[in-house]
Amino acid sequence: AQSVTQLGSHVSVSEGALVLLRCNYSSSVPPYLFWYVQYPNQGLQLLLKYTTGATLVKGINGFEAEFKKSETSFHLTKPSAHMSDAAEYFCAVSEGNDYKLSFGAGTTVTVRA
Amino acid sequence: NAGVTQTPKFRILKIGQSMTLQCTQDMNHNYMYWYRQDPGMGLKLIYYSVGAGITDKGEVPNGYNVSRSTTEDFPLRLELAAPSQTSVYFCASRKTNQPQHFGDGTRLSIL
Repeated sequence: AQSVTQLGSHVSVSEGALVLLRCNYSSSVPPYLFWYVQYPNQGLQLLLKYTTGATLVKGINGFEAEFKKSETSFHLTKPSAHMSDAAEYFCAVSEGNDYKLSFGAGTTVTVRA
Repeated sequence: NAGVTQTPKFRILKIGQSMTLQCTQDMNHNYMYWYRQDPGMGLKLIYYSVGAGITDKGEVPNGYNVSRSTTEDFPLRLELAAPSQTSVYFCASRKTNQPQHFGDGTRLSIL
């Protein structure tokens, strides 16, 4: 069975500062990894995904994530935060291509002007 | 393209009442999913379907039922509503080898 741990339920950053959201996973088979964003009163929107191949994955809105198998991590970063990045972010894992997702508890990002 | 559409957006139920949360998608996706989202808990999978006529339990199926008579629709039924089922419910769908697309959710309160 797979699981996800997101370190830090709340992250506050200044506008223009680095955004770093941490995600560690466990999986008994090579994982597929995802980051989703949720804005208030909306559903989840896919930011990026890792399935196979290049371990540095670029997504929408300037976000990227790196798959590190040795550390079982898939941390999400954005070099310069915008006010519009304020949202809740979820890391998720599936055991290969079955796409049955297990989600982390989420990290709420606030951006200070 | 409407994507994944969930109705209603909000609902208040009394304990013991029943209701059906509707989910429909117009993308001809074969896979569909129901999740519940509780504060600080992430999303938990309730039921999923790999195609019309086929459904299976997820992590938290107790108290819920589903059916999948068509490719487009995947309703979730609560038979005897309990306070523990107060949550936000999300429906999602996907094509083979593609990530899930989510609806905007149904906020359900049971009092």
